[in-house]
Amino acid sequence: NAGVTQTPKFQVLKTGQSMTLQCAQDMNHEYMSWYRQDPGMGLRLIHYSVGAGITDQGEVPNGYNVSRSTTEDFPLRLLSAAPSQTSVYFCASSPFWGPGTEAFFGQGTRLTVV
Amino acid sequence: AQKVTQAQTEISVVEKEDVTLDCVYETRDTTYYLFWYKQPPSGELVFLIRRNSFDEQNEISGRYSWNFQKSTSSFNFTITASQVVDSAVYFCALSPYNAGNMLTFGGGTRLMVKP
Repeated sequence: NAGVTQTPKFQVLKTGQSMTLQCAQDMNHEYMSWYRQDPGMGLRLIHYSVGAGITDQGEVPNGYNVSRSTTEDFPLRLLSAAPSQTSVYFCASSPFWGPGTEAFFGQGTRLTVV
Repeated sequence: AQKVTQAQTEISVVEKEDVTLDCVYETRDTTYYLFWYKQPPSGELVFLIRRNSFDEQNEISGRYSWNFQKSTSSFNFTITASQVVDSAVYFCALSPYNAGNMLTFGGGTRLMVKP
């Protein structure tokens, strides 16, 4: 039962570097999303996808890109990392786009930008 | 816009004490869902409960209970006879009906249960 798998678990980047955070789910869920967690602010939605080929912005999308070419994968790209992007990133999936649907979260990726 | 406030950033109790985690929310929507998630030290978020705005019945699940009061826009979570394994960060979250799966989280409450 893999569920939602995120890689890597930890990453240190230099300012200006780019990288991709990987997220894969094996539950055939339609809906996937990325959140960032910062102290005292809870989790904030970055981008989401309601199905393969469809993505949209959340509350804090600046500096991040996403794509959804398959149902299983939803990578998050940092184009030019900044110290303000130091955070813990969570990927989540739900069976479908619909109100009140339970979200299943990955274990998170702790990113530090120096 | 939605807002969820968890005023208690940290709570420390001794094992077997009861503890209540507060959650207050703001939304203009008349239909919405409220959630509680637990984040243990291992880091992943674990779903605890979902409640829709039309259902104000309190819920009890073992040592856990939830008190939803629409009149005060609150959805509080009580752990009875706390245990060390309850130590975690707890998040309250809100999702308006027309926002699908999009969650607005509170800042979280770190609960420390000491033996």
